[in-house]
Amino acid sequence: AQKITQTQPGMFVQEKEAVTLDCTYDTSDQSYGLFWYKQPSSGEMIFLIYQGSYDEQNATEGRYSLNFQKARKSANLVISASQLGDSAMYFCASYMKTSYDKVIFGPGTSLSVIP
Amino acid sequence: NAGVMQNPRHLVRRRGQEARLRCSPMKGHSHVYWYRQLPEEGLKFMVYLQKENIIDESGMPKERFSAEFPKEGPSILRIQQVVRGDSAAYFCASSARGYGYTFGSGTRLTVV
Repeated sequence: AQKITQTQPGMFVQEKEAVTLDCTYDTSDQSYGLFWYKQPSSGEMIFLIYQGSYDEQNATEGRYSLNFQKARKSANLVISASQLGDSAMYFCASYMKTSYDKVIFGPGTSLSVIP
Repeated sequence: NAGVMQNPRHLVRRRGQEARLRCSPMKGHSHVYWYRQLPEEGLKFMVYLQKENIIDESGMPKERFSAEFPKEGPSILRIQQVVRGDSAAYFCASSARGYGYTFGSGTRLTVV
């Protein structure tokens, strides 16, 4: 069964600094995908970045990059040059390509950016 | 190109009433997923539907909850005889091929 672990319930970062949010996953499948979502205080779920298990390069989307270490089953999100608007909950999620039916979410990390 | 539309955005129900949450997927998407987010928690999978079919309902409570996705019209998540513990945010997501989600803005259900 899939399981997503996010060990940091809360994180603080100074504005303009970089921050890494940890995520480890547990799956026996060889083919899977990993996501990060942002949930600001307004409540909507905002897709940030996606990494496929066979992608050789780490995914990047603007200030977001995914540090994918397949052997360690780790998919950390790196946010560079933090902005005040980055303060939000961040969820790591995964799905297995053999079973397209559902994405499993981690418990989330609350990020606060300090001016 | 409208995204996933959920309504209502906020819903207040008294204990024992029924709650009906609607989700219109993105144009061209035939897969719908419902998730529940309890306060201070992550999203928990409830049910996955394709048009007129329930594919996976392993996350649905056994009683009072039901979901449908008819051939025409939105997907409906129905909660009968609501209790205080049903208060949560309910999110719908849709996809075109079974993965690659787009989420709606959610419906916040409050049971008083």
